[in-house]
Amino acid sequence: EAGVAQSPRYKIIEKRQSVAFWCNPISGHATLYWYQQILGQGPKLLIQFQNNGVVDDSQLPKDRFSAERLKGVDSTLKIQPAKLEDSAVYLCASSLDQGYPYEQYFGPGTRLTVT
Amino acid sequence: AQKITQTQPGMFVQEKEAVTLDCTYDTSDQSYGLFWYKQPSSGEMIFLIYQGSYDEQNATEGRYSLNFQKARKSANLVISASQLGDSAMYFCAMSGPGKTSYDKVIFGPGTSLSVIP
Repeated sequence: EAGVAQSPRYKIIEKRQSVAFWCNPISGHATLYWYQQILGQGPKLLIQFQNNGVVDDSQLPKDRFSAERLKGVDSTLKIQPAKLEDSAVYLCASSLDQGYPYEQYFGPGTRLTVT
Repeated sequence: AQKITQTQPGMFVQEKEAVTLDCTYDTSDQSYGLFWYKQPSSGEMIFLIYQGSYDEQNATEGRYSLNFQKARKSANLVISASQLGDSAMYFCAMSGPGKTSYDKVIFGPGTSLSVIP
């Protein structure tokens, strides 16, 4: 079974530029999560989708971050414009059903550096 | 509000020895889940073990066991017979009721474990 795919793996941009990350979850997984992990900290949930609907985006900085999950499969996370404090690893995860978060499967992450 | 505390920023253990990684949590919910993830230097989060708040027995998965003490609100991870490949960051996490049950997972700050040959 293929795991969660993410691209790109690394991205370096200047502040005020925009960037987009892509995630393809495990086939059949209804729930998709985007996390932000700042160096030395645990992951912080940014947004959670159930199929193509948003379940939780309370910690998403909506003035600059946006995410979509068209057709309930893959998802993109965008930052526009980027700030220095957005430097982090962005992790995508998926799970089979919303009621089983302990079975979240994570992708390798995208390491973003904002200069 | 829910909170996870991991008081050990870094731990060392001799190969083949057992090690306990501490985790305490704070929640006012009656129903919640606790689990541990491992994050090697490659960056990918790997699920290790899960404990439901109503589970009477401590969870075990191979060399991993979760020492769940509900009254103390602690969920320590015990790794038996440590291996060099166990060197990684370890995160304690909790899920709890939100818009639906068992959503919104929060993670602790993590503990870095180094296994010494």
